[in-house]
Amino acid sequence: KNEVEQSPQNLTAQEGEFITINCSYSVGISALHWLQQHPGGGIVSLFMLSSGKKKHGRLIATINIQEKHSSLHITASHPRDSAVYICAVALSYNTDKLIFGTGTRLQVFP
Amino acid sequence: KAGVTQTPRYLIKTRGQQVTLSCSPISGHRSVSWYQQTPGQGLQFLFEYFSETQRNKGNFPGRFSGRQFSNSRSEMNVSTLELGDSALYLCASSQDSVNTEAFFGQGTRLTVV
Repeated sequence: KNEVEQSPQNLTAQEGEFITINCSYSVGISALHWLQQHPGGGIVSLFMLSSGKKKHGRLIATINIQEKHSSLHITASHPRDSAVYICAVALSYNTDKLIFGTGTRLQVFP
Repeated sequence: KAGVTQTPRYLIKTRGQQVTLSCSPISGHRSVSWYQQTPGQGLQFLFEYFSETQRNKGNFPGRFSGRQFSNSRSEMNVSTLELGDSALYLCASSQDSVNTEAFFGQGTRLTVV
């Protein structure tokens, strides 16, 4: 079983829809990252969380440490949000590396 | 502030050759970590350097090595290339560790033929 699980694997939406991507992990963590990867490969860091909630524009990320679960929400989705969204965790006993989920491929249609 | 710069962006090599990839972190960041991304295995940790010292290494063969220079720039080297080494290689820059914000480069896409 992977230490970091994401759902769903694939997601399609109509422009304007509210989107939720989930991440569950089975290990103790010191931080959780949400990353965005567009075709072409470059990764953009969206959020780093260790507790609570963060908001940036139309993106909201939450984390529940007790339940070992995080969600990424996109409000009023737009075709330019189409990308792969990746959840990654820094372990509490080893903060030198990230462990990644398998990613969620999001396609937003006009 | 300049972002994380990886060079080259694309590379084609022949089996058996060796390759060196470079990563220049954000100014002031001392931690550089390297990752391999393949369609089958996803993103996997290669190694991490902090102040010229390798602090952690992933589960990769000894053909994969790296180093970090005093200006925090890092290189990774893969010797005796195999077809399975074809991948996107990404580096991430952090102030101290990925316990803080991590900033990624655009990656180097390596194709081994």
